[in-house]
Amino acid sequence: KQEVTQIPAALSVPEGENLVLNCSFTDSAIYNLQWFRQDPGKGLTSLLLIQSSQREQTSGRLNASLDKSSGRSTLYIAASQPGDSATYLCAVTQSGNTPLVFGKGTRLSVIA
Amino acid sequence: GAGVSQSPRYKVAKRGQDVALRCDPISGHVSLFWYQQALGQGPEFLTYFQNEAQLDKSGLPSDRFFAERPEGSVSTLKIQRTQQEDSAVYLCASSPPTGLTEAFFGQGTRLTVV
Repeated sequence: KQEVTQIPAALSVPEGENLVLNCSFTDSAIYNLQWFRQDPGKGLTSLLLIQSSQREQTSGRLNASLDKSSGRSTLYIAASQPGDSATYLCAVTQSGNTPLVFGKGTRLSVIA
Repeated sequence: GAGVSQSPRYKVAKRGQDVALRCDPISGHVSLFWYQQALGQGPEFLTYFQNEAQLDKSGLPSDRFFAERPEGSVSTLKIQRTQQEDSAVYLCASSPPTGLTEAFFGQGTRLTVV
């Protein structure tokens, strides 16, 4: 059974700092990996989707990498801002249109 | 609409009451998923539809939970005889029929059973 772990569970950084969030999964036979952002009381906003054949994806200040063979992904946030404060969730699928398996998330606070 | 829409946003139910949660997916999206998110946890899979067919309901926690999507668009998640442990946020997601299969989520329905 696929299990997804996110480290750290919570992180507090000063504004402007670059940071890395980690995600690991136990079964490397994934179809894709998706990073989401969740604000308190809100739904999930998709940030980046990485297909299993890809190594990384970038969107603005965000960069996600995927090392499928070792079962790891990282989300890099450059020049963090208070507006980045949220919970970041990592999720994987085993094949097209199968359910996402989520980690518990990393709660990020960026202090002005 | 432009995104996945869920209603109601908040629901308070007395223990034993039946509830119905609605999901309106993005137009043209074939796949629809329901997830349950407990406080401080990641979402957990409940059930999956492809058009009107319920292809996987292995995540439904008990026979009090029932989902339908009769015309392949709007879906309803029904919980009968609600219990306190049903309190959670219920999230709906839809995906396009081909391509990257990226999941798009609604705002969720926060259910509180008192």
